[in-house]
Amino acid sequence: AQSVTQLGSHVSVSEGALVLLRCNYSSSVPPYLFWYVQYPNQGLQLLLKYTTGATLVKGINGFEAEFKKSETSFHLTKPSAHMSDAAEYFCAVSDAGGTSYGKLTFGQGTILTVHP
Amino acid sequence: DTAVSQTPKYLVTQMGNDKSIKCEQNLGHDTMYWYKQDSKKFLKIMFSYNNKELIINETVPNRFSPKSPDKAHLNLHINSLELGDSAVYFCASSRGANEKLFFGSGTQLSVL
Repeated sequence: AQSVTQLGSHVSVSEGALVLLRCNYSSSVPPYLFWYVQYPNQGLQLLLKYTTGATLVKGINGFEAEFKKSETSFHLTKPSAHMSDAAEYFCAVSDAGGTSYGKLTFGQGTILTVHP
Repeated sequence: DTAVSQTPKYLVTQMGNDKSIKCEQNLGHDTMYWYKQDSKKFLKIMFSYNNKELIINETVPNRFSPKSPDKAHLNLHINSLELGDSAVYFCASSRGANEKLFFGSGTQLSVL
């Protein structure tokens, strides 16, 4: 079974400050890891994903995440927050072996607020 | 053009009614999904179809019946609606397993 824990349901930063959203996962097989963003009244959009290879993954809108197997973590960062980054962010894990055929297990989400 | 479109956007109905939500994708994807997002924003997969075949059924009550008439469509029919069915239902599609999911904008279902 797989699970995802996002530490902190709400994160608040000032515009221009570092954004750090934490995600820890549990998986009995090598995981594929994802970050999705949800703006109000919209569906989720993929920010970035880790499958294999380089553990530092760059995504859209200046976000990046680092896969740390020893810490079972996949934290999302952005050096400088922008007002438009305010949204809810979801970390997700999938079975890389493919037996679950793309079933994503999502974390509970982190709401990011950006103050002027 | 909307990549994944679902209708209706809002659905308000009485307990015990039967309702359907439609989903269409114009991306040429082989795999489609239904996800349920509850009031606490927890998102959980319900069904996954690949090339019109059911791949994942996540212990969803059999009141929920997905139908995939072709690869581009995955509709969700719900019988005998209950209060606990109130949620936002998202359709999504992808090229295949573990590929990027493209989500629709959601259907907010309210059961009174």
